Amino acid sequence: KQEVTQIPAALSVPEGENLVLNCSFTDSAIYNLQWFRQDPGKGLTSLLLIQSSQREQTSGRLNASLDKSSGRSTLYIAASQPGDSATYLCAVRLTGTASKLTFGTGTRLQVTL
Amino acid sequence: ETGVTQSPTHLIKTRGQQVTLRCSSQSGHNTVSWYQQALGQGPQFIFQYYREEENGRGNFPPRFSGLQFPNYSSELNVNALELDDSALYLCASSLGAGEETQYFGPGTRLLVL
Repeated sequence: KQEVTQIPAALSVPEGENLVLNCSFTDSAIYNLQWFRQDPGKGLTSLLLIQSSQREQTSGRLNASLDKSSGRSTLYIAASQPGDSATYLCAVRLTGTASKLTFGTGTRLQVTL
Repeated sequence: ETGVTQSPTHLIKTRGQQVTLRCSSQSGHNTVSWYQQALGQGPQFIFQYYREEENGRGNFPPRFSGLQFPNYSSELNVNALELDDSALYLCASSLGAGEETQYFGPGTRLLVL
């Protein structure tokens, strides 16, 4: 059974700092890994999707890496802003499992002025 | 803009009642997945519908059931509600069962008293 863990559970940083969020998964037979953002009480917004054959993806100030062999992914946020405050979730899709996503419990990020 | 809508936004029920939640997929999407997100947790996969047929199910009891209509809108039905069913229910649509990009709706917040 695939288990996804995210560390830390919560993080508070001052504006402008670079930060790293971690995600680990137990089954390396993944099809892809996705990072989402969730604002309080809202749905999910996809940030980055990394295919199993890729090592990283970048979008603006966000960079996600994937090390399938060690079962780890990181989300790097450069020059954090108060608007980045949200919960960040990683989710993996196993090969041969339709579109079922297995999510971690998330990292709650607060960026302070 | 994802185009996935859910109704109602909030709902309060009492234990033992039944509830129906609705989801309208993004235009052209024939696949809908439903997830349950308890407070402070990541979303958990309930089931997926592809062209009106169930196409995968997570670890949820039979009192969780669904429908997908010819226009690809979908319903999630929960019978005999329990207190632990209180959660945010999210639906996500995609172009096909193997399509990795899922677009999430804003969710329905269900409170069972």
